[in-house]
Amino acid sequence: GAVVSQHPSRVICKSGTSVKIECRSLDFQATTMFWYRQFPKQSLMLMATSNEGSKATYEQGVEKDKFLINHASLTLSTLTVTSAHPEDSSFYICSARQGDMNTEAFFGQGTRLTVV
Amino acid sequence: GQNIDQPTEMTATEGAIVQINCTYQTSGFNGLFWYQQHAGEAPTFLSYNVLDGLEEKGRFSSFLSRSKGYSYLLLKELQMKDSASYLCAVMDSNYQLIWGAGTKLIIKP
Repeated sequence: GAVVSQHPSRVICKSGTSVKIECRSLDFQATTMFWYRQFPKQSLMLMATSNEGSKATYEQGVEKDKFLINHASLTLSTLTVTSAHPEDSSFYICSARQGDMNTEAFFGQGTRLTVV
Repeated sequence: GQNIDQPTEMTATEGAIVQINCTYQTSGFNGLFWYQQHAGEAPTFLSYNVLDGLEEKGRFSSFLSRSKGYSYLLLKELQMKDSASYLCAVMDSNYQLIWGAGTKLIIKP
């Protein structure tokens, strides 16, 4: 299958700072990328869906101003957690989809964020 | 290295039963997840196993054997809408998700 690279795999930051997570499709052009959040031993929770060149669509309850998503190119999407707080500590994972609705999405490895 | 194995593709008949297997080798274990993903859509959570045994949820059941590094997802009374990819994922000791490549399930009338 296609490769999606997510970076960094683990990050620790101080409260009040911002953290950027990158998601790259390495061997295909991703027209759509999904960002998920997962707490320990719980299911993935979809945060937002982003289409290249347009604004992300956020799920209900997800703060747009806190979780900034940029999908400026067909191979890169970024998630920035702004003014991070300890409750933002979680596992964030992206997935990328090539082409139209009939294609599957591939997952990144995930990013473990710890806010201290 | 860490590895999750599941069949690439399976075919089954509407109304029948199908079992999708998943074997894993990971550094530590903090649970195994099964997800369903329809083409072009985000995955949806199906089940989570952390202890050995069978977890039943409607038409879907998931089994885990930690000593064997093995799980299966059992789908009963198959419906056409069950045609999708089924993803097995294991959370390792660092709470990193290790994903299988997914099993594409094709349901025929």
